[in-house]
Amino acid sequence: KAGVTQTPRYLIKTRGQQVTLSCSPISGHRSVSWYQQTPGQGLQFLFEYFSETQRNKGNFPGRFSGRQFSNSRSEMNVSTLELGDSALYLCASSVEDTQYFGPGTRLTVL
Amino acid sequence: SQQGEEDPQALSIQEGENATMNCSYKTSINNLQWYRQNSGRGLVHLILIRSNEREKHSGRLRVTLDTSKKSSSLLITASRAADTASYFCATDGQTGANNLFFGTGTRLTVIP
Repeated sequence: KAGVTQTPRYLIKTRGQQVTLSCSPISGHRSVSWYQQTPGQGLQFLFEYFSETQRNKGNFPGRFSGRQFSNSRSEMNVSTLELGDSALYLCASSVEDTQYFGPGTRLTVL
Repeated sequence: SQQGEEDPQALSIQEGENATMNCSYKTSINNLQWYRQNSGRGLVHLILIRSNEREKHSGRLRVTLDTSKKSSSLLITASRAADTASYFCATDGQTGANNLFFGTGTRLTVIP
């Protein structure tokens, strides 16, 4: 099976802009989770979607949002970008208790 | 924060030696997982150990879990240069398997 794919791989934005990141899970996986990784805060859970519904949410401001489509593909959106949003954004799809991660999207906010 | 901590933060060894990394966490768990990350790329799942298990093996990997001490260790035997990476433990915190809490990571360097 193909692994988790994320697009784009790299992104440069300026403060105040918004961005949409995409994640395609492994075929058959219905759960998609998103994480933010920064040098200062490490890996932090953003939210999880299952069958098009947000099932869990981490402690991030409302500027961070997501959605899941009927084919399990997921998008996350960050509005009004801040410098501190520069990070590696990882998505993971899961079956049972194991999460399989994509290669990540490296977002740089200037 | 439910994030765990890993010890040491960085480890440098010669090829062929064993590498041991430790992870401590704060809350009760259903399971604990170890992941590897190469140079800011995606995470690769290594092994999952459930709360009712004490030890698990996978190839050159050996994981132990002590729920009374809320700690786990990852042993990589006969290390190779290709094992150079950051290693993270992740727990589910009993909130659900798809909401993982990650440790701070150990940066392992294996010198050829």
